[in-house]
Amino acid sequence: KQEVTQIPAALSVPEGENLVLNCSFTDSAIYNLQWFRQDPGKGLTSLLLIQSSQREQTSGRLNASLDKSSGRSTLYIAASQPGDSATYLCAVKDKAAGNKLTFGGGTRVLVKP
Amino acid sequence: GAVVSQHPSWVICKSGTSVKIECRSLDFQATTMFWYRQFPKQSLMLMATSNEGSKATYEQGVEKDKFLINHASLTLSTLTVTSAHPEDSSFYICSARSRGGRPEAFFGQGTRLTVV
Repeated sequence: KQEVTQIPAALSVPEGENLVLNCSFTDSAIYNLQWFRQDPGKGLTSLLLIQSSQREQTSGRLNASLDKSSGRSTLYIAASQPGDSATYLCAVKDKAAGNKLTFGGGTRVLVKP
Repeated sequence: GAVVSQHPSWVICKSGTSVKIECRSLDFQATTMFWYRQFPKQSLMLMATSNEGSKATYEQGVEKDKFLINHASLTLSTLTVTSAHPEDSSFYICSARSRGGRPEAFFGQGTRLTVV
């Protein structure tokens, strides 16, 4: 059964610092991995999706890498801003689970002005 | 594009009553929708997978008679919490996957249910 872990569970940085969020998964037979952002009391906003054949995806200040063989993905957020404060979740869609996503526990990020 | 709308965004109901939550894909067809539950400061827990025109598939431990799911069209799925109790109070989120389209999962804004 796929297990997804995100470390650290919480992170606090001063504005301007780069953020590094980690996601690891146990079953490397995945279709894709998706990073989401969740603001308090809100739904999930999709940030980036990396297909299993890709090594990274970029969107603006965000860059996500994928190392399928080691079961890891990293989300980099450059030059963090207070508006980046949120919970970041990663989720994998793996071949054993079909259409389902398996979520990590999330990393709560606080960017201090 | 790829907007998922969930309604209501919050609801308070009395213990013993039923509550219906709607999930709509506004600009795409979704053959499959997913319903999640999220407890405070925890991640999402998949409750069930809803397929258009067929019965939902429930995850282990989720009572199908308590959480009724209907997916009558390619753009609408509903979750009805029947005979709600305070322990059903939670944040419920739906997700939809585009029919033959983009691989991303798109999520609704969530529904905060409080049972008093």
